[in-house]
Amino acid sequence: ETGVTQTPRHLVMGMTNKKSLKCEQHLGHNAMYWYKQSAKKPLELMFVYSLEERVENNSVPSRFSPECPNSSHLFLHLHTLQPEDSALYLCASSPDRGHSYEQYFGPGTRLTVT
Amino acid sequence: AQTVTQSQPEMSVQEAETVTLSCTYDTSESDYYLFWYKQPPSRQMILVIRQEAYKQQNATENRFSVNFQKAAKSFSLKISDSQLGDAAMYFCAYRPWNYGGSQGNLIFGKGTKLSVKP
Repeated sequence: ETGVTQTPRHLVMGMTNKKSLKCEQHLGHNAMYWYKQSAKKPLELMFVYSLEERVENNSVPSRFSPECPNSSHLFLHLHTLQPEDSALYLCASSPDRGHSYEQYFGPGTRLTVT
Repeated sequence: AQTVTQSQPEMSVQEAETVTLSCTYDTSESDYYLFWYKQPPSRQMILVIRQEAYKQQNATENRFSVNFQKAAKSFSLKISDSQLGDAAMYFCAYRPWNYGGSQGNLIFGKGTKLSVKP
């Protein structure tokens, strides 16, 4: 498990808490992604950043707020979440958004909202 | 909108045997990419194999090969000589050729959980 790291690996938070998920890629890629993985559902793309600019926001509730300070780091700020937001949150990166570039995934953060 | 369907929520195979995982997709595009990703219990998703739609030859990677039927919009994964380490969730994914705007992102199926029996 190298290349894309995520912290923390597990997070339990109450609905009134504020927390942040962190993703870091050591691959020199220009694009980074946040996905939500819930049981028995396809991976849902949440946000896409290319060269530190957000290029995609798939109608994600405002209680999820992404931040990409540079091409190596990606954050997902969480506040006033709901129990249905409990899921595995995966970060990925790719050289660019174009063509068949493979996306490299991190190990994920298992989030539980109580 | 494009969709990806994996009709087998769970599959099981005996070690050293061969197993085939099914995937169908729906698209009106003629050029696109298809992928199989593997997600072991440790949760790190890795790419297993990739197929460009314009290529007629089926992609192969060691013990992994695909049966790409473009007209039928089918993209199955065959794992030969199954090993215990092959146990994982397998996701089929589709990506349009054009990557502008919302068109360039991966669309995943729900996954197939593969168990390998010793």
